[in-house]
Amino acid sequence: QKEVEQNSGPLSVPEGAIASLNCTYSDRGSQSFFWYRQYSGKSPELIMFIYSNGDKEDGRFTAQLNKASQYVSLLIRDSQPSDSATYLCAVMGGGTSYGKLTFGQGTILTVHP
Amino acid sequence: EAGVTQFPSHSVIEKGQTVTLRCDPISGHDNLYWYRRVMGKEIKFLLHFVKESKQDESGMPNNRFLAERTGGTYSTLKVQPAELEDSGVYFCASSLGGYTEAFFGQGTRLTVV
Repeated sequence: QKEVEQNSGPLSVPEGAIASLNCTYSDRGSQSFFWYRQYSGKSPELIMFIYSNGDKEDGRFTAQLNKASQYVSLLIRDSQPSDSATYLCAVMGGGTSYGKLTFGQGTILTVHP
Repeated sequence: EAGVTQFPSHSVIEKGQTVTLRCDPISGHDNLYWYRRVMGKEIKFLLHFVKESKQDESGMPNNRFLAERTGGTYSTLKVQPAELEDSGVYFCASSLGGYTEAFFGQGTRLTVV
């Protein structure tokens, strides 16, 4: 079992729709959860982070965390073609592993006009 | 403010040669990380510096890899001798604190032939 798994892509949604990206993790001691966006050939860019169970909203983006189910998701409302990218879920542990991010394999999102 | 910069952006070397990658973190960031993505796989953690000290080097593949961060500023990652399986994109990231947002560089694409 992989430490961080993301829903297999690619994911294609029409412009204006909601894109839903999912991620599960295996380490129950994980403390923090991050969503990065990566355009082709570019560096990963942080979109959202979440520490507590529940929802966290930032503009068109909502991150959802359920620690009991070891599940984190990212919703993108009113998707735009510029949202087309690879989305990376990353999990940070605690203790001596602080700072270390464990990534999923990424989900490619395409938003078509 | 300059972001995380990495040099070179691309490197093609022959098996058995030595390559040194450099990372300049964001000024003032004590935490510096190296990650690697090989073809078709997820981004994987290599190591974590806090200032000039290695906080966690659990992800270093073997003793052909040597990372240094002299003076707690820039860092180098040397691969000696390089093997074919070392090919991939090497990312550097930095953060102010261990639990704060990590900013990634553009990466160095290493090809060993």
